[in-house]
Amino acid sequence: EPEVTQTPSHQVTQMGQEVILRCVPISNHLYFYWYRQILGQKVEFLVSFYNNEISEKSEIFDDQFSVERPDGSNFTLKIRSTKLEDSAMYFCASRARRGSSYNEQFFGPGTRLTVL
Amino acid sequence: SQQGEEDPQALSIQEGENATMNCSYKTSINNLQWYRQNSGRGLVHLILIRSNEREKHSGRLRVTLDTSKKSSSLLITASRAADTASYFCATSDYGNNRLAFGKGNQVVVIP
Repeated sequence: EPEVTQTPSHQVTQMGQEVILRCVPISNHLYFYWYRQILGQKVEFLVSFYNNEISEKSEIFDDQFSVERPDGSNFTLKIRSTKLEDSAMYFCASRARRGSSYNEQFFGPGTRLTVL
Repeated sequence: SQQGEEDPQALSIQEGENATMNCSYKTSINNLQWYRQNSGRGLVHLILIRSNEREKHSGRLRVTLDTSKKSSSLLITASRAADTASYFCATSDYGNNRLAFGKGNQVVVIP
């Protein structure tokens, strides 16, 4: 069964460093998302992406964050200058354009980001 | 913005028993989805119920939705040790596709 994959599974970085988190959405999906979950807290929406542009972003998604779909398969989240409070599990999700399950968002296994 | 909120209870049940958890939200929704998360792992989609549906079944899962009360319940019948996980509800509205998650219910099934 097709699934969303994410790399790396765990990223450790120093405060102020740039990180890029990578995702490969399900191949026929056209909507892409990033969410994060700080330890012990809710899953929070960061950004949605469709047709090569951001369709919606939350207040968390400030100028330090950016997303890109550099080719036909990868979807990346970049944090330019990481802060301690960026430490969280980051989830990528994708959704089909149409079909019986088109509202369902399928999540990847997550990347645990630790900022020291 | 709408927000899924589970009742803040942790469930500890014996294998074979049923587990019920609830979720309430604040605004109009297009659909409500339930996810499972095993400790420190990813989110697994369980079931989606649309705003015009009242009940839905999938295997041992039964979801209800009461839009007048802005609430949903997830029932897991004949629980198994492998059902031990956190369960989240998430809602989306008509205007956008972002999911608003609740805090999650921790379910422990004792073998």
